[in-house]
Amino acid sequence: DAKTTQPPSMDCAEGRAANLPCNHSTISGNEYVYWYRQIHSQGPQYIIHGLKNNETNEMASLIITEDRKSSTLILPHATLRDTAVYYCIVRDPNQGGKLIFGQGTELSVKP
Amino acid sequence: NAGVTQTPKFQVLKTGQSMTLQCAQDMNHNSMYWYRQDPGMGLRLIYYSASEGTTDKGEVPNGYNVSRLNKREFSLRLESAAPSQTSVYFCASSEGWLNYGYTFGSGTRLTVV
Repeated sequence: DAKTTQPPSMDCAEGRAANLPCNHSTISGNEYVYWYRQIHSQGPQYIIHGLKNNETNEMASLIITEDRKSSTLILPHATLRDTAVYYCIVRDPNQGGKLIFGQGTELSVKP
Repeated sequence: NAGVTQTPKFQVLKTGQSMTLQCAQDMNHNSMYWYRQDPGMGLRLIYYSASEGTTDKGEVPNGYNVSRLNKREFSLRLESAAPSQTSVYFCASSEGWLNYGYTFGSGTRLTVV
C-alpha cells in the first residue's frame, strides 16, 4: 500500500507558485521521498527526490519538514504545461526500493 | 534519444490469447520494472528486476510472467489474457534500486475483448 496521503486535486493560476502537499507520517529514517508527475496518459516523469534536506533542481523544489512526516513540492512559476497528476512516493529500501504509487494530486493550472 | 522503448504501443487481444510486451532501455540501467495503470487509477507494480538475472513479484503479479533477457531487455508475458488485464502497461528502468529516479516508457495500451 502507498504510504502517502495527498489531496485529490488542486488548482493554481498560471505564473504563480504551485505548492503540493504530501503527508507521510509513518516514514522511517532510511526512506526517501520521491515526486513524479504524469501528463495526460504519458509515462510518469521523475521530478525530484530527497531524504532529509530540502532539494532544488531545474524543475522544482522539495521541502521536507524536520520530523520528515510531510513534504511540499513547489513549482515556482506554474505554466499550463504543468497540468498533470503529481505523485508523492515514499521509497522503502527494505522492499527492493520499489516505487509504490498512490492516487496522486491532479493539478490544474489555469490561465 | 536515450530512453525506454516499449513495443507494441497498442494491442487488442481476444480472451485466452497470449502475448509478450517488450521493453528495452539503452541507458545501461541495472533495474527494470513493469507497471499497469487502469483508467483513473495510479500505477501498480507487476514485476521488477533489481539486476540482470533476478526478478521479483510486485503488487499484482497474478496472470503475468517476466523475463530479464539481458541487461537491456525486460519482457512481460500474458499467457492467457483476460478482460481484467485491459490496461496501460508501463515499463521503467533505473540505474540503481534506491537513490535513483526511474525513466518510464511511453506505454502499451492493451485491450482484451
